[in-house]
Amino acid sequence: KAGVTQTPRYLIKTRGQQVTLSCSPISGHRSVSWYQQTPGQGLQFLFEYFSETQRNKGNFPGRFSGRQFSNSRSEMNVSTLELGDSALYLCASSSTSGGTNEQYFGPGTRLTVT
Amino acid sequence: AQRVTQPEKLLSVFKGAPVELKCNYSYSGSPELFWYVQYSRQRLQLLLRHISRESIKGFTADLNKGETSFHLKKPFAQEEDSAMYYCALRTSNFGNEKLTFGTGTRLTIIP
Repeated sequence: KAGVTQTPRYLIKTRGQQVTLSCSPISGHRSVSWYQQTPGQGLQFLFEYFSETQRNKGNFPGRFSGRQFSNSRSEMNVSTLELGDSALYLCASSSTSGGTNEQYFGPGTRLTVT
Repeated sequence: AQRVTQPEKLLSVFKGAPVELKCNYSYSGSPELFWYVQYSRQRLQLLLRHISRESIKGFTADLNKGETSFHLKKPFAQEEDSAMYYCALRTSNFGNEKLTFGTGTRLTIIP
């Protein structure tokens, strides 16, 4: 089985811009979770989509949003970028919702905001 | 609020010596705990979960509800155990479920 893929792998944006990141889960997985990883805060849960619906949500502002398509691919959008949004964004796919079953992580998208 | 604490950012252990990576959690509900590992230049992956009660790559972890701990242990460290280890807690709050990760411990095995 092909693993979780994320595009792009690296991205540089300017403060105030918006960005869209993409995640393709393992075939057959319907859950996609997004995480932000920074040296200071570690791994923080953003949100989870399951069967095109946002099921669970972390404590991030509304500038962070996402969606999931019928083929389970998911996108994450960050609007009005701030310097503090610079991070590695990881997505993880799973066969079930809520983190009970193993989550398979992608390689991440490294976002740098200047 | 739920929290996962990994008190050691860095841990160095000699090959063949026992390893213990500490994890403490704070959660009012019934906890489900996991250990994830990230080897150099590889993706984050599940190592083990408490409900499985299994040993993976020689590692075990026992959930101690009294001490709210889920420490990861291995009796004899091997060089290939060098990696970043994350403890994670699954919580459910009014139907909102998520994994909360600790900040991680970088384990280095000294040959």
